[in-house]
Amino acid sequence: QQQVKQSPQSLIVQKGGISIINCAYENTAFDYFPWYQQFPGKGPALLIAIRPDVSEKKEGRFTISFNKSAKQFSLHIMDSQPGDSATYFCAASIRSSNTGKLIFGQGTTLQVKP
Amino acid sequence: SAVISQKPSRDICQRGTSLTIQCQVDSQVTMMFWYRQQPGQSLTLIATANQGSEATYESGFVIDKFPISRPNLTFSTLTVSNMSPEDSSIYLCSVAALAGLSTDTQYFGPGTRLTVL
Repeated sequence: QQQVKQSPQSLIVQKGGISIINCAYENTAFDYFPWYQQFPGKGPALLIAIRPDVSEKKEGRFTISFNKSAKQFSLHIMDSQPGDSATYFCAASIRSSNTGKLIFGQGTTLQVKP
Repeated sequence: SAVISQKPSRDICQRGTSLTIQCQVDSQVTMMFWYRQQPGQSLTLIATANQGSEATYESGFVIDKFPISRPNLTFSTLTVSNMSPEDSSIYLCSVAALAGLSTDTQYFGPGTRLTVL
């Protein structure tokens, strides 16, 4: 019940296209859902995050869509660029626990072709 | 945000030896975490290290194998003891709750790539 399932495992998109990565969870106590971006040889960096009181959050070309009833959330990268090629991780946590613990999805390797 | 450095950035070690990884943050933080990321895999939390208290280990990780120190609000170490090839991984520290802010946002260090022969 603590798992976060992420798909697809890998994704190839043409430059200018839309990249979509999906995550699903079971634990309804999760109330914070961040996405991290990781380049080779680097640590993950927070990209965008959402709380379940909103259904969508947009920051530049990156949008999170959240479906509370389906217990799913997704990352959309509009106008994908070769510089977006990286591994993306969704995650979930229970803010009220005040432990800061993040449960990560399995990761999606995105390749954006020029 | 926080700037986090880790030492060493990479190391190659012999089976049966131990390696201590250092994590330094440029600001005081309440929570620090240690993760393991095996090649091409996701991140698995090893333990939470809060200053002034014993580290809290996740299921499957024990203090004898991964002793952690947290002597102050800007520094922590993780030791990988009695290493075997299965310990070959990237070890990452992260921090949360900067300057009294919420625990939501975690910032990660660049990682230590460990290879055990």
